[in-house]
Amino acid sequence: DGGITQSPKYLFRKEGQNVTLSCEQNLNHDAMYWYRQDPGQGLRLIYYSQIVNDFQKGDIAEGYSVSREKKESFPLTVTSAQKNPTAFYLCASFGGDVWYEQFFGPGTRLTVL
Amino acid sequence: KQEVTQIPAALSVPEGENLVLNCSFTDSAIYNLQWFRQDPGKGLTSLLLIQSSQREQTSGRLNASLDKSSGRSTLYIAASQPGDSATYLCAVRAGNTGKLIFGQGTTLQVKP
Repeated sequence: DGGITQSPKYLFRKEGQNVTLSCEQNLNHDAMYWYRQDPGQGLRLIYYSQIVNDFQKGDIAEGYSVSREKKESFPLTVTSAQKNPTAFYLCASFGGDVWYEQFFGPGTRLTVL
Repeated sequence: KQEVTQIPAALSVPEGENLVLNCSFTDSAIYNLQWFRQDPGKGLTSLLLIQSSQREQTSGRLNASLDKSSGRSTLYIAASQPGDSATYLCAVRAGNTGKLIFGQGTTLQVKP
């Protein structure tokens, strides 16, 4: 089955730690995205990548970093510089033509202890 | 800057009722608009995608309309069921990067 997987489902971070969220897709999509969702709010874009080895900042990139070494994978690192990282993180991918729809993974819930 | 607003934020209806969820956007220059469903603690499931040149799309009991000139979209749910209880999000694609701009969502509760 084609789709997007995210791991882990739940993640706990101590103050000062960096943590990495995994996102993998087997849809052969060129573009991948990371969004953040806070309670009662819509999604906000953190980073996106339209092609391997290239990525762009979204609206709330401060305190986050990404890499895109493979087409299938787009990991997100939440650094200690992100002051309020507790949120639900969603990864998405897109087939490349603006007329296509975007698909989402199941999400990772990050909590700071 | 494109902004997307959804009204109401929450809605509670009895089972069997027909209902309408609203989505408005400030810039009419969009490629398409997508409606999603989100269950608690889960990812987003795409319900309907309307291209900028289309007026409506239908899937089962769901019908989404788009009026680009007025910056509005509605999601119509016919004969609502308790299983329809979820948060419904609309999002517009305004540029060729594929990124979406989301509304805050409408949380729907359908009571048996």
